[in-house]
Amino acid sequence: EPEVTQTPSHQVTQMGQEVILRCVPISNHLYFYWYRQILGQKVEFLVSFYNNEISEKSEIFDDQFSVERPDGSNFTLKIRSTKLEDSAMYFCAGDLQGSGGEKLFFGSGTQLSVL
Amino acid sequence: GENVEQHPSTLSVQEGDSAVIKCTYSDSASNYFPWYKQELGKRPQLIIDIRSNVGEKKDQRIAVTLNKTAKHFSLHITETQPEDSAVYFCAASIGSGGGADGLTFGKGTHLIIQP
Repeated sequence: EPEVTQTPSHQVTQMGQEVILRCVPISNHLYFYWYRQILGQKVEFLVSFYNNEISEKSEIFDDQFSVERPDGSNFTLKIRSTKLEDSAMYFCAGDLQGSGGEKLFFGSGTQLSVL
Repeated sequence: GENVEQHPSTLSVQEGDSAVIKCTYSDSASNYFPWYKQELGKRPQLIIDIRSNVGEKKDQRIAVTLNKTAKHFSLHITETQPEDSAVYFCAASIGSGGGADGLTFGKGTHLIIQP
């Protein structure tokens, strides 16, 4: 079964540093998402991406965040200047339909620790 | 925006008994309601979903019911087994059919199956 692949699995960074989280979606998926999950809490929507553009974003996704799919394969989430509260598990996800995030396939996640 | 409430936060049942997890949502425009299972340290995985034109859906031991008027939906697991132990998240989205709307998740229910 195809999988959404994320790298790295764990990223440790100093506050104020930039981080880039990478995702390789399933090849026939059209819509891509980033979600995050603070330890022990619910999964939160950050942003959705379609046709090389942001489709929707949440209040969490402020100017410190950006996404791109530079080579048509990797889908990246960049945090420009990390804060302590950015520490969370970040999940990439994809689906075929883009209709309200149906049948989302989540990646295995990147655990981001900001010190 | 959408708000999803989920209860209970923890549910402990004897192996073989049934488990019921309930969610309510606030936005009457929501029309897609998935349930995700998350084992410790792993990604959320879709186990069942329902659209608002359907009142009930069943897949082996798992069923979901939806009451649009009351804006609540429930997950039912029958004949519970040890491998059902996990955190279960309900979610809702508007699913406009064109945009990549994000899912709004509930806070999760930690289901414990007692042997």
